[in-house]
Amino acid sequence: ETGVTQSPTHLIKTRGQQVTLRCSSQSGHNTVSWYQQALGQGPQFIFQYYREEENGRGNFPPRFSGLQFPNYSSELNVNALELDDSALYLCASSLQGRDTIYFGEGSWLTVV
Amino acid sequence: KQEVTQIPAALSVPEGENLVLNCSFTDSAIYNLQWFRQDPGKGLTSLLLIQSSQREQTSGRLNASLDKSSGRSTLYIAASQPGDSATYLCAGKSSGDKLTFGTGTRLAVRP
Repeated sequence: ETGVTQSPTHLIKTRGQQVTLRCSSQSGHNTVSWYQQALGQGPQFIFQYYREEENGRGNFPPRFSGLQFPNYSSELNVNALELDDSALYLCASSLQGRDTIYFGEGSWLTVV
Repeated sequence: KQEVTQIPAALSVPEGENLVLNCSFTDSAIYNLQWFRQDPGKGLTSLLLIQSSQREQTSGRLNASLDKSSGRSTLYIAASQPGDSATYLCAGKSSGDKLTFGTGTRLAVRP
């Protein structure tokens, strides 16, 4: 158990819809990162939040957005879903400046 | 831009064998290199972390090495067991706390 929880675990959406994925970070961790992992691929960095501010972004379009709350939990929002958005979305929490990072079990998103 | 490659993509070995998984990266300016394990449909579990100033790390039957000059890391698994069957991912940490992952090696250990 890493202490990082994600919800929902599985969901199916229709192309063009919007989705919100949630992450509760490990106690005391102030940094949350989101990764997208397509089937058979390694995780790709989407963005990172530190103290409620975006602190780095990967090569993802603006329809991928996020939030971090005062308790350090986080949301990933994806608008105008496309078929290629189907993937496992992983949340990771850490303490800024430290190397230890903990991943949640992920949210499986299928876009049909 | 950091790119990470893992070879082989898949590996099947009989129980008890010693094996080596390979990871190469293009940008030697990494802060550290981590090896993760991922079971099917699950999240990632960190196995070993090697700082850029270190050459290797060991944990139980696992040993990871890092050669920044050649852009390579290896994960050595001794006396493999069926429970080691999983996908193994390496990731380099660059500036901004971003991890760049390889595509993984899918390992199957046959009883």
